[in-house]
Amino acid sequence: DGGITQSPKYLFRKEGQNVTLSCEQNLNHDAMYWYRQDPGQGLRLIYYSQIVNDFQKGDIAEGYSVSREKKESFPLTVTSAQKNPTAFYLCASSIGLGQPKQFFGPGTRLTVL
Amino acid sequence: GDSVTQMEGPVTLSEEAFLTINCTYTATGYPSLFWYVQYPGEGLQLLLKATKADDKGSNKGFEATYRKETTSFHLEKGSVQVSDSAVYFCALSGGGNYGGSQGNLIFGKGTKLSVKP
Repeated sequence: DGGITQSPKYLFRKEGQNVTLSCEQNLNHDAMYWYRQDPGQGLRLIYYSQIVNDFQKGDIAEGYSVSREKKESFPLTVTSAQKNPTAFYLCASSIGLGQPKQFFGPGTRLTVL
Repeated sequence: GDSVTQMEGPVTLSEEAFLTINCTYTATGYPSLFWYVQYPGEGLQLLLKATKADDKGSNKGFEATYRKETTSFHLEKGSVQVSDSAVYFCALSGGGNYGGSQGNLIFGKGTKLSVKP
């Protein structure tokens, strides 16, 4: 089955630690996205990538970093510089950046202890 | 910049009631409009879409009509079920520049729907 997988589903982190969230897709999509979801705030775009080895900042990129070394993978690192990292993180992909229909993964809930 | 405004929730209805969730947008150009649904603990799924004025998107008994004159895309369902309980997001894309690249989605804040048996 084609789709997007995110792991882990739940993640706990101590303050001051970096943590990496995984996102993999086997849909052969060029474009991939990371969103952050907070209660009552909808989804906010963190980073997006149009193609391998290319990525752009979204609205709230500070304290986050990404890489796109393979078409299938778009990991997100939440660094210690992110002041309020506890949130639900969603990864998505689309055929291309000009194709707005996005497919979403199941999400990772990150909690900072 | 482009934006989406949804009615605030939560919305609580009895089974078989009529549902309306209001959504209005601000955009330059001619955006595509979407409704996504998020069931508890899951990611988002595309529910329906409309790409031009007067288009009606429909799926699973839900409908929404792209109204350019009122810049609206209200979601409706004639008879809701308990299984429709979820958070619903209105979104737009492609109306103009966003983050330097068209095609990115702009989401509303979401409306939580709870349907009681």
